[in-house]
Amino acid sequence: DTAVSQTPKYLVTQMGNDKSIKCEQNLGHDTMYWYKQDSKKFLKIMFSYNNKELIINETVPNRFSPKSPDKAHLNLHINSLELGDSAVYFCASSPWGGNSPLHFGNGTRLTVT
Amino acid sequence: ELKVEQNPLFLSMQEGKNYTIYCNYSTTSDRLYWYRQDPGKSLESLFVLLSNGAVKQEGRLMASLDTKARLSTLHITAAVHDLSATYFCAGSNAGNNRKLIWGLGTSLAVNP
Repeated sequence: DTAVSQTPKYLVTQMGNDKSIKCEQNLGHDTMYWYKQDSKKFLKIMFSYNNKELIINETVPNRFSPKSPDKAHLNLHINSLELGDSAVYFCASSPWGGNSPLHFGNGTRLTVT
Repeated sequence: ELKVEQNPLFLSMQEGKNYTIYCNYSTTSDRLYWYRQDPGKSLESLFVLLSNGAVKQEGRLMASLDTKARLSTLHITAAVHDLSATYFCAGSNAGNNRKLIWGLGTSLAVNP
């Protein structure tokens, strides 16, 4: 199936731990994104990569580090997890330029205890 | 910077009724998107609106764009329970970095 897939779907961890979320798309898109959706459903862009180059880097704690090994993959590593990091993290992709909508993955629900 | 405001944020309506969700934006947006999110699920693209007067329809949903008023609407006709979801609009500043600015979402509940 053509899609944006991210793993894991659920992630429960303790404060202070380090964790990673992986994202892969097989849509042939050049651009990939990480979004954070909080408990009130507010969506906030965190990062965007175009063909492995960082193009959007919002005000995000430097505990969050994206990494794009190739244009089909964008991973998110989070160090020293805090309670406030609990949220749903969505990966998305789109063609570069143009007006096509973003295609979202199914989300990773991160719970920090 | 572009700001996007949706209203209402919560909407409870009866099946068979019509209603409109409004999306206002603060500065020029070169494109306007509508997405749907079911509880606990991903976001699904509904419409992309690019020019003044653009109107798109899919089933019971119709979206329109008035760039002069900086307003997009999502009109629901004869609502059915399956339309219960959260609907987001998002605008984009000119440029190719595709940074979307999102509204807070409208949580729609369609009741029998």
